[in-house]
Amino acid sequence: DVKVTQSSRYLVKRTGEKVFLECVQDMDHENMFWYRQDPGLGLRLIYFSYDVKMKEKGDIPEGYSVSREKKERFSLILESASTNQTSMYLCASSLTGYLEQYFGPGTRLTVT
Amino acid sequence: KNQVEQSPQSLIILEGKNCTLQCNYTVSPFSNLRWYKQDTGRGPVSLTIMTFSENTKSNGRYTATLDADTKQSSLHITASQLSDSASYICVVSVGNMLTFGGGTRLMVKP
Repeated sequence: DVKVTQSSRYLVKRTGEKVFLECVQDMDHENMFWYRQDPGLGLRLIYFSYDVKMKEKGDIPEGYSVSREKKERFSLILESASTNQTSMYLCASSLTGYLEQYFGPGTRLTVT
Repeated sequence: KNQVEQSPQSLIILEGKNCTLQCNYTVSPFSNLRWYKQDTGRGPVSLTIMTFSENTKSNGRYTATLDADTKQSSLHITASQLSDSASYICVVSVGNMLTFGGGTRLMVKP
């Protein structure tokens, strides 16, 4: 079974703090994704990566950056957290393309 | 405007009953459509995936149908169980991009 893990299930940070969300997959998948999920808006793609050190902006990259130094790990960085970044963050991975995506359990981030 | 609309937003049914969730999409050209189940506090898990040429796909008590002409899909749950309580998300792919619906929150009561 594919396993995608995220570093924290719940996180509370203050406005202006730098926040790191970590995602690890154990199936040697090429592609990794970061989404945020908000009520009524569905999942929205923040960034994705199709290879080590490669990244592409998704639909809502503003206020976020990513890092992929190793194939199995994809990090989402909030340089200066703001209250409108309070959300559920979901990481996903896929072997090829963007279709067969496997999701992690999510991180519920609250910025106060 | 979201190009994948799901209805209803929420639904409460009694255990053992059947229910049908709807998904209407406007994205085009259409590659395939997937239904995910998301338990509270968990990531989404894939239930079914259908290409534009498929009309129906089953996974146990879950049956998805697709009408590519009207751009509608439905997810039918038979003999519901308490463990079916979750959000169900419709996802449409256009080429390599995925568009997610807002989900239907289903609650199954004993």
